[in-house]
Amino acid sequence: DGGITQSPKYLFRKEGQNVTLSCEQNLNHDAMYWYRQDPGQGLRLIYYSQIVNDFQKGDIAEGYSVSREKKESFPLTVTSAQKNPTAFYLCASTGQGGHEQYFGPGTRLTVT
Amino acid sequence: GNSVTQMEGPVTLSEEAFLTINCTYTATGYPSLFWYVQYPGEGLQLLLKATKADDKGSNKGFEATYRKETTSFHLEKGSVQVSDSAVYFCALSTGYAGNNRKLIWGLGTSLAVNP
Repeated sequence: DGGITQSPKYLFRKEGQNVTLSCEQNLNHDAMYWYRQDPGQGLRLIYYSQIVNDFQKGDIAEGYSVSREKKESFPLTVTSAQKNPTAFYLCASTGQGGHEQYFGPGTRLTVT
Repeated sequence: GNSVTQMEGPVTLSEEAFLTINCTYTATGYPSLFWYVQYPGEGLQLLLKATKADDKGSNKGFEATYRKETTSFHLEKGSVQVSDSAVYFCALSTGYAGNNRKLIWGLGTSLAVNP
């Protein structure tokens, strides 16, 4: 079955450590997105990528970094510069010519 | 600029009640409009969409009509079930296919359906 996988489901880190969240899709989608969601809040766009080896900052890119070396993969690194990293992180993708986004199950990151 | 405004929640209904969640938008051009649903602890799922004025999207008993004259895309369901309890997000598309495609999101409306 085609879809988007995010791993792990839950992630715990100590303050000051960088952590990388995985996002993989086998939908052959060209565009991929990372969002952050805080309790009771909407979605905020962190980074997005329309094609391999290219990505753009979203609304809240500070303290985050991404790479897009393969079409299927769009990992997100939460760096120690991110002041409030504890959140639910969602990855999404969009196919060629489309606008609707398809989401992974999310990763809940807790930093203490 | 582009924006989406949803009615604030939480919305609490009894089973079999009629549901309306209001969504209005501001956009340049001719965006596509979407409703997504998020169950607790999960990612978002596309519920329905409409790509042009007067289109009606429908799925699982939910409906929404793209009203350009009122810039609205209200979500409706005739008889809600407990299993419909979730957060509902309205969104519109920006950019062109293949170029700078993004979605602009509403803040979400939480729905709780009591038996």
